[in-house]
Amino acid sequence: DTAVSQTPKYLVTQMGNDKSIKCEQNLGHDTMYWYKQDSKKFLKIMFSYNNKELIINETVPNRFSPKSPDKAHLNLHINSLELGDSAVYFCASSPWLTGENYGYTFGSGTRLTVV
Amino acid sequence: AQKVTQAQTEISVVEKEDVTLDCVYETRDTTYYLFWYKQPPSGELVFLIRRNSFDEQNEISGRYSWNFQKSTSSFNFTITASQVVDSAVYFCALSERDTGRRALTFGSGTRLQVQP
Repeated sequence: DTAVSQTPKYLVTQMGNDKSIKCEQNLGHDTMYWYKQDSKKFLKIMFSYNNKELIINETVPNRFSPKSPDKAHLNLHINSLELGDSAVYFCASSPWLTGENYGYTFGSGTRLTVV
Repeated sequence: AQKVTQAQTEISVVEKEDVTLDCVYETRDTTYYLFWYKQPPSGELVFLIRRNSFDEQNEISGRYSWNFQKSTSSFNFTITASQVVDSAVYFCALSERDTGRRALTFGSGTRLQVQP
């Protein structure tokens, strides 16, 4: 019973294509995130949504467009893929309120390779 | 702005040695949270610990222990009697409450290699 699930786990595609990564959480959290991990293992926040509202939008090319149809889902669509987009993308969720159960749960990651 | 520094890029030890991973953070928030995650070669991010800024008690969990010192803005992680299975990249991370930012800011990670 996976808490945060991402699909697909691996994605190999050609430059210029458009692709989507899906994320779903069943923890009842109201905040979801997309992180990018580059080849040097740096983990950086890309987007954050709270109750379907965008609250963090880091300096990310506008080819990346997140969409949150409801608070349990946060998808990432990437247009016109470039070689530099190759990375591992992690979805995560957390409660907004910082109580006893405050913490972040990560999906297993999507390894995107652009050729 | 918040920042997390893990100055040790890579550490190599022999099994059964003790090893400490350093983490120094910067934040202007008075209420913040510090985390450690482990990323084994399989790639997933495994939660190890969360520490609140108002709780400076050190914590021990089996062979793992954490030393939180607000005076030096450090949150160091020690593995006692290391094992090969401890080989992984370890990340320290910070989140702030009052800024409303919530997202984790990660350090650059420390790769730990434990040789048999």
